[in-house]
This record gives sequence, structure tokens and C-alpha cells, in this order.
Amino acid sequence: LAKTTQPISMDSYEGQEVNITCSHNNIATNDYITWYQQFPSQGPRFIIQGYKTKVTNEVASLFIPADRKSSTLSLPRVSLSDTAVYYCLVGTNYGGSQGNLIFGKGTKLSVKP
Amino acid sequence: DSGVTQTPKHLITATGQRVTLRCSPRSGDLSVYWYQQSLDQGLQFLIQYYNGEERAKGNILERFSAQQFPDLHSELNLSSLELGDSALYFCASSPNQGAAGNTIYFGEGSWLTVV
Repeated sequence: LAKTTQPISMDSYEGQEVNITCSHNNIATNDYITWYQQFPSQGPRFIIQGYKTKVTNEVASLFIPADRKSSTLSLPRVSLSDTAVYYCLVGTNYGGSQGNLIFGKGTKLSVKP
Repeated sequence: DSGVTQTPKHLITATGQRVTLRCSPRSGDLSVYWYQQSLDQGLQFLIQYYNGEERAKGNILERFSAQQFPDLHSELNLSSLELGDSALYFCASSPNQGAAGNTIYFGEGSWLTVV
């Protein structure tokens, strides 16, 4: 089970780019990296998922270096509504792995005006 | 709207009682997951069902049980309730049993308050 480490909290201002890095030193070959966003009293919402290199969607980008021991979620031009907790999960839930089901403490992002 | 429906949204009950939380997964999803989120414990994975069978088990107490029915909806049964069971319970679903690249979609949760 790949353990993930993220900063507990981050502060930013509206319009800035925010990068949240997650460390997962013992990631397995079959593991994917998935990021979720959670607002207070709401269920987590899938943001992005990747296996290697770079993935981009309409919400964020995910950068994964060649060794895959870390990943960086990049949120371009954040707004106040991006204030939330962001979780990094690593795993497949395949062959008994539960890595992609286990949420850590996440990173609490606070966006200020 | 994720497509995952949970009922009830709010529930208040007394210690020692039993409650049932219900979840309807997204259309076509075969896997259902249950999570518990309390202030001091974060988001805890409880259990997963795939097409009616238990697939993965997390930190689920023996007082708790779950099942997935032939129509794929799921129920989480919480018995002998304690004050510490007060939490937000989330259900989530996904299309498959968890192959590589699987992502899960969460409902809005059921607030349980034990008094």
C-alpha cells in the first residue's frame, strides 16, 4: 500500500497558480495517482488521474516525474471557490491493493481575495 | 450531481439504537463503497461491494455491516450506536471492481447524529 505525504495546508491568492505536491516513494508499477477535491460537508469529487508524465483536463494538470515517486497537482488561476481539501491517492484496488481507496489528511487550500 | 444517491440526508438517533443508510449507485456502476468521515478521524474507508459481493474491507467495526442487493443498491447497517459513531457517512460508486485507473464518485452523504 503506497503511502502518500502531502502538506497539511497551503495559502494562496485569487488568480495565482497553485501547485500541491504529493510524495509516494513506494508507488507500485500498477498504481495510478488520483486527486480528489472536497468541500465542507460534501463528498469528495474526482479532479484528475494519471500514471506518468503529464495529464491535463479542464480543471487541473497533473505532473508526474519519470520515477513516479511524487506528483504535483497544478490549479491554474485559483479563485475563492477553489478553497477546499485536496487528497492525493495512489493505488489500483487491484489484486487486494486499496491504495486508491485510502484517503489521508489531504491538503487544505485556502484561497484569499 | 455525481449520480450517487444517499438517504436519509440527516438522521438523529439515540445511543444503542440501530439505523440503516441507503445508497443508490450511478447508473451502470457495479461497485459501491462506504466511507465514514468524522472531525477527528478524517475520511475512513469502511467497505466495498462489487456486484453483490464483498470486495475490500477497511476499518469497519463489527457493529457495522453492509450489503449490496441484486439491483445494486447498498445498505449500511449501524447497530448498538455510540456517541462516537456520529459522523458523515458517504457512499461512492464506480463502474468496475477496481482495476487500474479506477476512480470513484461520491454521494452527498448521510449525516448521523447519535445523542
